[in-house]
Amino acid sequence: LAKTTQPISMDSYEGQEVNITCSHNNIATNDYITWYQQFPSQGPRFIIQGYKTKVTNEVASLFIPADRKSSTLSLPRVSLSDTAVYYCLVGVYNQGGKLIFGQGTELSVKP
Amino acid sequence: NAGVMQNPRHLVRRRGQEARLRCSPMKGHSHVYWYRQLPEEGLKFMVYLQKENIIDESGMPKERFSAEFPKEGPSILRIQQVVRGDSAAYFCASSPSQGRSTEAFFGQGTRLTVV
Repeated sequence: LAKTTQPISMDSYEGQEVNITCSHNNIATNDYITWYQQFPSQGPRFIIQGYKTKVTNEVASLFIPADRKSSTLSLPRVSLSDTAVYYCLVGVYNQGGKLIFGQGTELSVKP
Repeated sequence: NAGVMQNPRHLVRRRGQEARLRCSPMKGHSHVYWYRQLPEEGLKFMVYLQKENIIDESGMPKERFSAEFPKEGPSILRIQQVVRGDSAAYFCASSPSQGRSTEAFFGQGTRLTVV
């Protein structure tokens, strides 16, 4: 199973771009990379998913280098409401369908 | 299309009682997952079910915990003879299918407090 490593916490200020990097050295050929966001007292919410290169949606961008051993979630111009825990997940398909969450990165956005 | 519905949102039980947590997946979703989150901790996988089948229960405690997803009705996570250590938030998620690109949708959770 591909293990992921993320920073435990990050601080930022409103209006800044935030980049959260996730390491997944043992990623398998068929594995997708997926990011979830969790606000306090709520269930996680899917943000973005990618396989290689770059993916962008209305919320974030996901950058994946050619070797796919890491990925970076980029949040443009964060606001206070982006304060949450961000989870990087790898290998959903090969883990029998279940989502395995790591410790996540607790992002704190300050005014 | 309503999201994943969990009820109750809050549940208080005395030690030794039973707790029943319900989860109605999104319409058209046949895969259900249950997770437990202790205070200040991450989400721990408990069980993965499809209609009338338990696919993976590797995260379920061996005793007192059971889960089902019947042909009709919601998925149920049942905890018998609750203890204080069972106090946690329990989240349910559903997905339409298992595939390479799996997006799961989570409910708001049930917060169980054992007193």
